[in-house]
Amino acid sequence: EAGVTQFPSHSVIEKGQTVTLRCDPISGHDNLYWYRRVMGKEIKFLLHFVKESKQDESGMPNNRFLAERTGGTYSTLKVQPAELEDSGVYFCASSQPGQGDYTFGSGTRLTVV
Amino acid sequence: SQKIEQNSEALNIQEGKTATLTCNYTNYSPAYLQWYRQDPGRGPVFLLLIRENEKEKRKERLKVTFDTTLKQSLFHITASQPADSATYLCALDYSGGSYIPTFGRGTSLIVHP
Repeated sequence: EAGVTQFPSHSVIEKGQTVTLRCDPISGHDNLYWYRRVMGKEIKFLLHFVKESKQDESGMPNNRFLAERTGGTYSTLKVQPAELEDSGVYFCASSQPGQGDYTFGSGTRLTVV
Repeated sequence: SQKIEQNSEALNIQEGKTATLTCNYTNYSPAYLQWYRQDPGRGPVFLLLIRENEKEKRKERLKVTFDTTLKQSLFHITASQPADSATYLCALDYSGGSYIPTFGRGTSLIVHP
């Protein structure tokens, strides 16, 4: 089966610009998660979708971040306007309810200059 | 505050030996603990999950122990190979059972031929 796909793999934008990251989970996986790893730190949870509903967005840093999952399939994470501290690797993961294993994408490396 | 600690120093071992990695946690009452492998430029890859009522779990050359009294998990790779070189991450669910993994920073393992 196809894994979790994220694109772009890399993005370099200027401070103040907008960037949209996309995640395609494994087909049929209801749970979708966004995580971020800032250099030198641990991978941190951002938010969790169950199908198209936001189940938990307690990790979202501020209102410059907007995540959507229309139709319960792929998800987008928009950063607007981007700041320097938003730089890092953004990971998406998906899982089935009740399953303890999570499949991660390769991540999007975002650099804000 | 909740904390997950993994040894930040790289573990260097000789091929064929057993590698043992440690994950300690405080202020958690996790329902489960997971171990992931991460290679450079890739997302974490799920390896094993152990639940709070399990003491030990094995999968091929991998063994995980979980001591909820000591608040510690040990991850063993027996007969290690250079291909096992990677960063290994432990993750616990949030206290309160929202079942979303919270990650440690990971420990780098280097297996020398």
